[in-house]
Amino acid sequence: GAVVSQHPSRVICKSGTSVKIECRSLDFQATTMFWYRQFPKQSLMLMATSNEGSKATYEQGVEKDKFLINHASLTLSTLTVTSAHPEDSSFYICSARDGTATEAFFGQGTRLTVV
Amino acid sequence: QQQVKQSPQSLIVQKGGISIINCAYENTAFDYFPWYQQFPGKGPALLIAIRPDVSEKKEGRFTISFNKSAKQFSLHIMDSQPGDSATYFCAARKGNAGNMLTFGGGTRLMVKP
Repeated sequence: GAVVSQHPSRVICKSGTSVKIECRSLDFQATTMFWYRQFPKQSLMLMATSNEGSKATYEQGVEKDKFLINHASLTLSTLTVTSAHPEDSSFYICSARDGTATEAFFGQGTRLTVV
Repeated sequence: QQQVKQSPQSLIVQKGGISIINCAYENTAFDYFPWYQQFPGKGPALLIAIRPDVSEKKEGRFTISFNKSAKQFSLHIMDSQPGDSATYFCAARKGNAGNMLTFGGGTRLMVKP
């Protein structure tokens, strides 16, 4: 149980375009989802926290208009990188928890390359 | 403060040896301390976690030692295997799983055959 699926695993997009990353909880209802960003050989940095049906809470320094997060259902959250630029190239990882779990579980990550 | 400091940044261990990774935290409100294992191109996976009411927790070859007064905790990997080669992250959290995790900087472990 507690499987979190992220799609796509890799994506290449052109500078100026938008790309959407999906995070699904396959066998539980995710009341809270987290989006992280990880640069090569670095740690995970929390970008935002979203609760189902509510607006996401963004960490300081994260542009909410650039990184659009939607958590419209209990099994799906999406991160849309709008007007992507090469500096947005990174590894994006989601995690999700249900209302009673003691742990949030991570997806397998999405490698975004903006060319 | 929210910082969690992790050391060493990289570690090389011979097969069969003990790998030890250390973390220190500042915020005494943290009450949950997990360790994650991450392979290249994959998301982190929970290895083992501890709460401050115990000083040690063991699961198989993995042991967490926790020193509340020193605000330090460590991961010991016994009988290290080449398949353990990965990046390990300690983390800390205050309250329930709906709250954010604060990660350490990571340790890249290489276990030589």
